[in-house]
Amino acid sequence: RKEVEQDPGPFNVPEGATVAFNCTYSNSASQSFFWYRQDCRKEPKLLMSVYSSGNEDGRFTAQLNRASQYISLLIRDSKLSDSATYLCVVTNAGGTSYGKLTFGQGTILTVHP
Amino acid sequence: EPEVTQTPSHQVTQMGQEVILRCVPISNHLYFYWYRQILGQKVEFLVSFYNNEISEKSEIFDDQFSVERPDGSNFTLKIRSTKLEDSAMYFCAWSPGLAGEETQYFGPGTRLLVL
Repeated sequence: RKEVEQDPGPFNVPEGATVAFNCTYSNSASQSFFWYRQDCRKEPKLLMSVYSSGNEDGRFTAQLNRASQYISLLIRDSKLSDSATYLCVVTNAGGTSYGKLTFGQGTILTVHP
Repeated sequence: EPEVTQTPSHQVTQMGQEVILRCVPISNHLYFYWYRQILGQKVEFLVSFYNNEISEKSEIFDDQFSVERPDGSNFTLKIRSTKLEDSAMYFCAWSPGLAGEETQYFGPGTRLLVL
């Protein structure tokens, strides 16, 4: 089983649509969770951290279900500029240990006019 | 404005040659990482570096790889004898090193092509 698994897509949605991405992780000891976005041939950029209570940042909502080892990202009112690859990322770092990030394959989103 | 810069942005080299990739932090970061991304594949962890020592490395990070921070500023990744399969994007990343803050921020990357 892959450490972090995502539906690769691609997702093709019109502007204004709502789209949801899912991610599962295999290591129950994983401590921290993130969504990054990556534009073509660019570096990953942090979109948001994911907390057990769920968190929202504007049009973006992230949810974490530790029991199911499942993470989600919801994008409302999609913009053309949201077109990118969305990376689900987990880390087992905790306490004073700042360890590696483990990335999923990424989900490709294309928002069209 | 990026927190780290990476040089060179692109590098083309012949198989068997040594390459040095550089990461230049703008402020005094403590935790550094190298990742690579082969074209079309996921981002993979190579090594983490704290207090001038390797703290963790992956299976990919074999004897042909080394990291150092020679002058307390630049953070370098050296590949001693490049192979075709080393062709990838190499990202340097840093972390603030604050309790409860494990977020990592990535530099713009160096695109390495081994011929």
